[in-house]
Amino acid sequence: GNSVTQMEGPVTLSEEAFLTINCTYTATGYPSLFWYVQYPGEGLQLLLKATKADDKGSNKGFEATYRKETTSFHLEKGSVQVSDSAVYFCALSDVNSGYALNFGKGTSLLVTP
Amino acid sequence: GAGVSQSPSNKVTEKGKDVELRCDPISGHTALYWYRQSLGQGLEFLIYFQGNSAPDKSGLPSDRFSAERTGGSVSTLTIQRTQQEDSAVYLCASSVTYSSRGNTIYFGEGSWLTVV
Repeated sequence: GNSVTQMEGPVTLSEEAFLTINCTYTATGYPSLFWYVQYPGEGLQLLLKATKADDKGSNKGFEATYRKETTSFHLEKGSVQVSDSAVYFCALSDVNSGYALNFGKGTSLLVTP
Repeated sequence: GAGVSQSPSNKVTEKGKDVELRCDPISGHTALYWYRQSLGQGLEFLIYFQGNSAPDKSGLPSDRFSAERTGGSVSTLTIQRTQQEDSAVYLCASSVTYSSRGNTIYFGEGSWLTVV
């Protein structure tokens, strides 16, 4: 079956630090990959996505590259801000489940001034 | 509406009572999804609808859970004889279609259920 594994949190960084949140996946087919973000008190929002190998998704300074050879989709940002404090979820979808999202457990990020 | 709308936003119910959670997807979205978010389990996929049809109900936690969708729009998730372990945030989501790779799925704010 499909599964997503992401690094355990919480992650605490100082403002302007470099961020990496690791995500690896297992899939029976050829999935699309996503990062969703949940800010405190808000609903889940799509942050970025990639639908095929070597694609790079990017948004709000965040990037992730679809690596089929390592089955990974690591999230990176060069300089985090306090406003990036949130929970980040890696997810995949494929045709076998009606393209429903299969999520990792989430990584909590706290950025301090 | 502009986004996925869920009601109620908060519900406190007594153990053993039935509850209904409602989801109004984004207009024109044919695919609809239900998830459960709890501290111990993360985001758990429950069921999805293609139009009014749910091809796979195996994600529902027990036979106390059921879901339906009518008119290709509003969906209701019903939990019968609620138990304390049902306490969680129930998230509804929708997307334009269920058959397109890389579909963006839009989430509602959730219904926070507390069983006492």
